[in-house]
Amino acid sequence: RKEVEQDPGPFNVPEGATVAFNCTYSNSASQSFFWYRQDCRKEPKLLMSVYSSGNEDGRFTAQLNRASQYISLLIRDSKLSDSATYLCVVNMKDTGTASKLTFGTGTRLQVTL
Amino acid sequence: ETGVTQSPTHLIKTRGQQVTLRCSSQSGHNTVSWYQQALGQGPQFIFQYYREEENGRGNFPPRFSGLQFPNYSSELNVNALELDDSALYLCASSSDRQAFFGQGTRLTVV
Repeated sequence: RKEVEQDPGPFNVPEGATVAFNCTYSNSASQSFFWYRQDCRKEPKLLMSVYSSGNEDGRFTAQLNRASQYISLLIRDSKLSDSATYLCVVNMKDTGTASKLTFGTGTRLQVTL
Repeated sequence: ETGVTQSPTHLIKTRGQQVTLRCSSQSGHNTVSWYQQALGQGPQFIFQYYREEENGRGNFPPRFSGLQFPNYSSELNVNALELDDSALYLCASSSDRQAFFGQGTRLTVV
């Protein structure tokens, strides 16, 4: 079983639609959680952190359910510019003082006119 | 701009050759991680350096090695290149919780 699992998509949605991405992780000791966005042939960039209380940034809402080991990202009022791959990322704290990130495969979103 | 710079941006090597990729990290970040991203996949953790010492390694063979320098810049070395090593190699410098990625080096092995 992969450490972080996502539906690879693609999700094809019309402009203005609401779209939700889900992600599950296997390590219950995981410390922190993120969504990264990656445009074609570019590096991943942090979209938002994910907290148990849920957090919102404009049209984007992230949720974490530690009991179910499940993370979600909701995008409302999709824009053409939202087309990208969305990577679910989990921070696995090692025994050292620093930690490494474990990425899902990514979910590709294509927003169309 | 993340402040993380990788060089070169693109590289073509022949199977069996050796390659060195470089990364200069964001000021103040003493942790550098390297990731390999194959086409259509998420980045896979190769290893991490913290204050010039290796601090964690993913499922990569010993021919993948690295260095971190006193100024926290880093190198990734790959020996005996194989065709499957063709990928985007990403360097990330991180604070305790957030990682900032460089633009990556796209390596093609022929």
